[in-house]
Amino acid sequence: KQEVTQIPAALSVPEGENLVLNCSFTDSAIYNLQWFRQDPGKGLTSLLLIQSSQREQTSGRLNASLDKSSGRSTLYIAASQPGDSATYLCAATNYGGSQGNLIFGKGTKLSVKP
Amino acid sequence: DAGVTQSPTHLIKTRGQHVTLRCSPISGHKSVSWYQQVLGQGPQFIFQYYEKEERGRGNFPDRFSARQFPNYSSELNVNALLLGDSALYLCASSLMPESFYNEQFFGPGTRLTVL
Repeated sequence: KQEVTQIPAALSVPEGENLVLNCSFTDSAIYNLQWFRQDPGKGLTSLLLIQSSQREQTSGRLNASLDKSSGRSTLYIAASQPGDSATYLCAATNYGGSQGNLIFGKGTKLSVKP
Repeated sequence: DAGVTQSPTHLIKTRGQHVTLRCSPISGHKSVSWYQQVLGQGPQFIFQYYEKEERGRGNFPDRFSARQFPNYSSELNVNALLLGDSALYLCASSLMPESFYNEQFFGPGTRLTVL
């Protein structure tokens, strides 16, 4: 059974700092891994999707990496801004079972201080 | 193009009642999934529908049911509501399941409060 873990649960950094959010998963048989952002009480905004055959994806100040052999993904945020404050969730899509459904971690709550 | 839409935005019900939540996927998307997110947790998978057929079901009781219509919109029904059903219910759409390109796009959610 796939389990996704995100550490730390919360992170506070000063504006301008580069930071890394971590995501680990127990079953490497994944289709892809997706990173989301969630603002309080809102839905999820897709940030990046990394296919299982890829090592990383980039969008603006965001870079996500995937290492299936170690069961890890990281989300790198460059030059953080107060507007980046939100909860960041990673989710894996597995082969087999209920194919296509996302298995989420509990998220990392990021606070960027001006 | 409109994103995923959900209705209603908020809902307050009492224990034992029934509720219906609605979702319209992004135009062209044929797969719809439902997730439950309780406070402080990541979303939990409830159902996935593709081409009007159930393709997956999470670990939820039979009080939860869903269906997908010919226009690919979907309804989630919950019977005999319990206090523990209070959560944000999220709908996600994608082109198709079982794909390396299965990027899922989420709606704003329906906040259900059971009193």
